[in-house]
Amino acid sequence: EVQLVESGGGLVKPGGSLRLSCAASGFTLSSYSMQWVRQAPGKGLEWVSSISRSSSYIYHADSVKGRFTISRDNAKNSLYLQMNSLRAEDTAVYYCARVAFGMVRGVCDYWGQGTLVTVSS
Amino acid sequence: EIVLTQSPGTLSLSPGERATLSCRAGQSVSTSYLAWYQQKPGQAPRLLIYGASSRATGIPDRFSGSGSGTDFTLTISRLEPEDFAVYYCQQYGSSPLTFGGGTKVEIK
Repeated sequence: EVQLVESGGGLVKPGGSLRLSCAASGFTLSSYSMQWVRQAPGKGLEWVSSISRSSSYIYHADSVKGRFTISRDNAKNSLYLQMNSLRAEDTAVYYCARVAFGMVRGVCDYWGQGTLVTVSS
Repeated sequence: EIVLTQSPGTLSLSPGERATLSCRAGQSVSTSYLAWYQQKPGQAPRLLIYGASSRATGIPDRFSGSGSGTDFTLTISRLEPEDFAVYYCQQYGSSPLTFGGGTKVEIK
């Protein structure tokens, strides 16, 4: 069974940093691109970042470029999102998701349960 | 950036009725790279449709997708109680990936 479990969310002050992790199981992580998608409270979905199978291709939304970094460790079956210079507008549930059909950025066929990041003083 | 506009914002229907949800793109969506997701409160989104009209694994055949170019539709032929949720469309044909604002299907 495919499982994605996020961790690392919490309350952080504006300008602070957090590192999110996503533990993957039930499939071979190295065979799939992965991405992060976020959802602000009561709002819709927003793509954040994508990373290819071997980390050769990395993409970030303009809203987080230069502040967030996606990475992965296939040996540890883990995906990460390093978030620096956090702003109030980054407050959201962050979902880790598997990209289907061999694409680098694409449709998400499996999602984690999400981890809440709250940026507030 | 391709802006996706979903309508209506809310659809009030009874179990057994047919639901028709619209997703309109500001530009043509490349190769019909359009997906639909269902999200229930407190849960992660669930993939329903990809490639505009292909059902994801395990999705009942009462869900169907159609359309191309800039106009796409998700149809639920007969609403079951578990289908009342929010539905999002997503385009993945061009960067950045974008999602529509969602349509809430509520019980009338």
